[in-house]
This record gives sequence, C-alpha cells and structure tokens, in this order.
Amino acid sequence: ETGVTQTPRHLVMGMTNKKSLKCEQHLGHNAMYWYKQSAKKPLELMFVYSLEERVENNSVPSRFSPECPNSSHLFLHLHTLQPEDSALYLCASSRPGAQETQYFGPGTRLLVL
Amino acid sequence: QKEVEQDPGPLSVPEGAIVSLNCTYSNSAFQYFMWYRQYSRKGPELLMYTYSSGNKEDGRFTAQVDKSSKYISLFIRDSQPSDSATYLCAMSFTGGGNKLTFGTGTQLKVEL
Repeated sequence: ETGVTQTPRHLVMGMTNKKSLKCEQHLGHNAMYWYKQSAKKPLELMFVYSLEERVENNSVPSRFSPECPNSSHLFLHLHTLQPEDSALYLCASSRPGAQETQYFGPGTRLLVL
Repeated sequence: QKEVEQDPGPLSVPEGAIVSLNCTYSNSAFQYFMWYRQYSRKGPELLMYTYSSGNKEDGRFTAQVDKSSKYISLFIRDSQPSDSATYLCAMSFTGGGNKLTFGTGTQLKVEL
C-alpha cells in the first residue's frame, strides 16, 4: 500500500443518503486531489487543494462537496447522488506544483442505488 | 478528438515477451509524461516520469517520448505475469494548473 489511505473502501448508498469519503496522506505533501474513475473513461479530476486552499473545481455538481481541514486530510461529502455517480473515487497527493508526481490511494468503490 | 488517445486493449502476451504500450496526444504544450500502473482494485501507482523528449530506463521498463510526433511509449522487457495490470499514460504542462490529463488505460495480461 502507498502512503495515501482511503476509507471506506466500498460504499453503497441510496440517492437520499448523505455520506463522506475520507483520505489521509502520510507523505508530507501539501497538495491533495479527488478524482473520479469510471469504466472505459479517463480519470476525471474533480477537486484540487494546495496548502489547504481549493485551487481547482472542475465543474463538479454541488452534490459533491470537498473539505480539507489540514494538509494531511481530505474529505468528499456526498448527498443526493445519482446512479451515474457510481464509480471509483481516488484521492491523490503531491508536493505543491509537482502535479506530475502524484501518489494515489486505493480508492473508494461507490455504488449509488 | 480526445486530448490523449490510448488503446484500451486488452493486450495479451506470453511471459517473456517485449510489450509496447502507446499513447498519442493532441496538445503540443504537454511537457511532462507519466506512466501509471493500476492493479485490479487498487489505485494507480507512478511507474515512470519523463520531462520533454527522449528515453528513460528503469529496470525492465523504458519510457520514450517523441514530441514531434506527439507519441509516447512504454516498453516492458521480459514481461512477467505480475506485470498484468492496466497501464495509464498521463500528461501535464507548466502553467496548466494542477491538472494531469489521462488516457483511458490499456489492460495488459501476461500469460504463463
């Protein structure tokens, strides 16, 4: 396993539920990322935090809400999701400005019923 | 047209074969080129990182970048069953923010 951990590893939720995904990095990095990985599609960057400040939000629906309380932790809060949001959600970290060397966690496999 | 094109495979080869994985891209601004390996039920793992054109070798792996043709390759020598995974290419450039642009990934199976 890498120095980036994610919990839970699997999540099943209904469209009316609220849940949160958690990511923690132990690499001393200061930039953290959320990605969505769907079958047969490239990884889609959702959010970027650098030095705990959100620096990128790639037109992600408001039903996804990120939170970065410190440089080691990143959350993705989920509410009123749609079945098409079912995917693997990956967290990554890097040094600020070193986006070319990102380290990924194992991901949370999300199923929305 | 996608910014990065990658054949999804699957690609099946016998153990010991030389494997060639490729990506083409359309944005000439890309300067950094990465290859990630992703095993089933795991996150991507950075394998190789190359800046600009040229070759880079690391053990059985060689990454090549041809910016004039907008074409990058990853070669795996003496392939092993443990190399069976999905290989993702990714690219970025200075001034492009924090964004990596990924290919869809090529699924590789190395058979005994």
